[in-house]
Amino acid sequence: GQNIDQPTEMTATEGAIVQINCTYQTSGFNGLFWYQQHAGEAPTFLSYNVLDGLEEKGRFSSFLSRSKGYSYLLLKELQMKDSASYLCAVRNDYKLSFGAGTTVTVRA
Amino acid sequence: EPEVTQTPSHQVTQMGQEVILRCVPISNHLYFYWYRQILGQKVEFLVSFYNNEISEKSEIFDDQFSVERPDGSNFTLKIRSTKLEDSAMYFCASSRGLRGSNQPQHFGDGTRLSIL
Repeated sequence: GQNIDQPTEMTATEGAIVQINCTYQTSGFNGLFWYQQHAGEAPTFLSYNVLDGLEEKGRFSSFLSRSKGYSYLLLKELQMKDSASYLCAVRNDYKLSFGAGTTVTVRA
Repeated sequence: EPEVTQTPSHQVTQMGQEVILRCVPISNHLYFYWYRQILGQKVEFLVSFYNNEISEKSEIFDDQFSVERPDGSNFTLKIRSTKLEDSAMYFCASSRGLRGSNQPQHFGDGTRLSIL
């Protein structure tokens, strides 16, 4: 089975940093993806980890520890447009299994 | 930047009717997927398709569902006899590679299916 957990909601101030944690227990693992989803829109790819460590992409970074079944997405220099749901997804063979998403609200 | 396109954006159908959702994946992608998201819930995998056949499907993807790649560009999802619980946003996705690669799945904007 697939069990992917992430916090339901987080609030942060514009310009700040927020870290969204994701823990997973899955029957297989071929990589972990982070997607951003604005309400009523499609998930948009943000980052990918398959090996342990940190991947940095501009204001977004993602970390993976396979032994701990743990990942986080770090959002720096928060902007109002970063208010969205952030989805943690584990790939196993062909499919992505998604967590329920973390709704991030950025306040001025 | 190339993108996955889906039509229609919104489909309203009577319960028991057949519905076909259409997708045009990114042109050099080889792997195609359908997901659904019931309002307020998480995104759920339905089916993956590669080399003109289903490569994996979930328990949601029962005999009422089918997929087809009728030509070189379209990828369709058919629901034979719709039920109220089929109401959801349906996302098509595609990826260039799979295992051993870092190719992400790119999602279309979705078709909102409403069953009355």
